[in-house]
Amino acid sequence: GEDVEQSLFLSVREGDSSVINCTYTDSSSTYLYWYKQEPGAGLQLLTYIFSNMDMKQDQRLTVLLNKKDKHLSLRIADTQTGDSAIYFCAESPTTSGTYKYIFGTGTRLKVLA
Amino acid sequence: EPEVTQTPSHQVTQMGQEVILRCVPISNHLYFYWYRQILGQKVEFLVSFYNNEISEKSEIFDDQFSVERPDGSNFTLKIRSTKLEDSAMYFCASRVQGSYEQYFGPGTRLTVT
Repeated sequence: GEDVEQSLFLSVREGDSSVINCTYTDSSSTYLYWYKQEPGAGLQLLTYIFSNMDMKQDQRLTVLLNKKDKHLSLRIADTQTGDSAIYFCAESPTTSGTYKYIFGTGTRLKVLA
Repeated sequence: EPEVTQTPSHQVTQMGQEVILRCVPISNHLYFYWYRQILGQKVEFLVSFYNNEISEKSEIFDDQFSVERPDGSNFTLKIRSTKLEDSAMYFCASRVQGSYEQYFGPGTRLTVT
């Protein structure tokens, strides 16, 4: 079955890089997403990657995909206190005709000043 | 920028009561979703809706749940007889045809006492 796993917490110092990890199990082609949730707010899409890609970079964000291990990571360069939030990894298998999302538990990132 | 809105932000209800959670998707979006997140657990898919009918539902979405698009703008989730275990954050999402990216609302926190 489909499952997405993430570590629950990450703490980094301001200015350092953050790396948030995610593993997924679906063997079909899939879209993989990173969402950010700040307190009281909805889920904000940060970036996404298709499962036939290795890497995607968007300003301070770098997504790396290891297809063999089904491992996805989100690297945030020069982490700021405003990056403190919960980060969700999600996959959307193309075999699902509705492109529903399967989410991980979310990783709570705390940035220390 | 257009966004998905949800009302109310917090709903408290007694066990056995009916609740209706409301969502206003982005106006040109055609695909609609409900997800929920029980405190400390994963965000779980409930149902997807397209062309005025359910296109997929999860095991969670039993006979106590229903969805409706009563007019051109609202998308509602009804729980007929709430249970304690229905206490969760409920997220609405929508997407436009041709894109797999879902836009999420801020969520409604449902507390069943």
